[in-house]
Amino acid sequence: ETGVTQSPTHLIKTRGQQVTLRCSSQSGHNTVSWYQQALGQGPQFIFQYYREEENGRGNFPPRFSGLQFPNYSSELNVNALELDDSALYLCASSLPGTSGSHEQFFGPGTRLTVL
Amino acid sequence: AQSVTQLDSQVPVFEEAPVELRCNYSSSVSVYLFWYVQYPNQGLQLLLKYLSGSTLVESINGFEAEFNKSQTSFHLRKPSVHISDTAEYFCAVEAYGSGNTGKLIFGQGTTLQVKP
Repeated sequence: ETGVTQSPTHLIKTRGQQVTLRCSSQSGHNTVSWYQQALGQGPQFIFQYYREEENGRGNFPPRFSGLQFPNYSSELNVNALELDDSALYLCASSLPGTSGSHEQFFGPGTRLTVL
Repeated sequence: AQSVTQLDSQVPVFEEAPVELRCNYSSSVSVYLFWYVQYPNQGLQLLLKYLSGSTLVESINGFEAEFNKSQTSFHLRKPSVHISDTAEYFCAVEAYGSGNTGKLIFGQGTTLQVKP
């Protein structure tokens, strides 16, 4: 059973550019949540995808968007990058409805630096 | 809405000493409670969780946390720490309701620094 994987590991972009981050969920997990962790802060919930549909969103502007594919992998897209978007982006997968379903399995994250 | 406050940003402690990492939360609805640990350059790992039942929950590596509803707290404790416990610890809540599964609200984190 493979865990949650994310790519790329690190990324450097400039202001105004667009970026796509990728996440492969743990085998069998149909729910993916994305979090932004700024340096020295706790993770903040961006949005969640359940069976290819957005299932809740945190306090992030529309330039943060996502997708979930039939194999439950997911993408996070950020348009018009700003300096404050520099952070560690974490993906977490889960399988709601199963015993212990409240456990989120986190990937190692993608470190995004915006210059 | 929910919020989580971790009362200490850094906790230095000597090896084999006891430690307590404090967490308080605020919520207008019932919540589930979690502690996650983050080692350098890694993602978060679940340490322990309170969903229901006994208010004292334990992890496999000696940590425990007690849910105190009246004080809205979920403090993490370990009677004797090891160097390998050095990491960032995050307290988190999730509101009741199937529609809220996986939508965690995290505290700011507490850095546990275990010294030899």
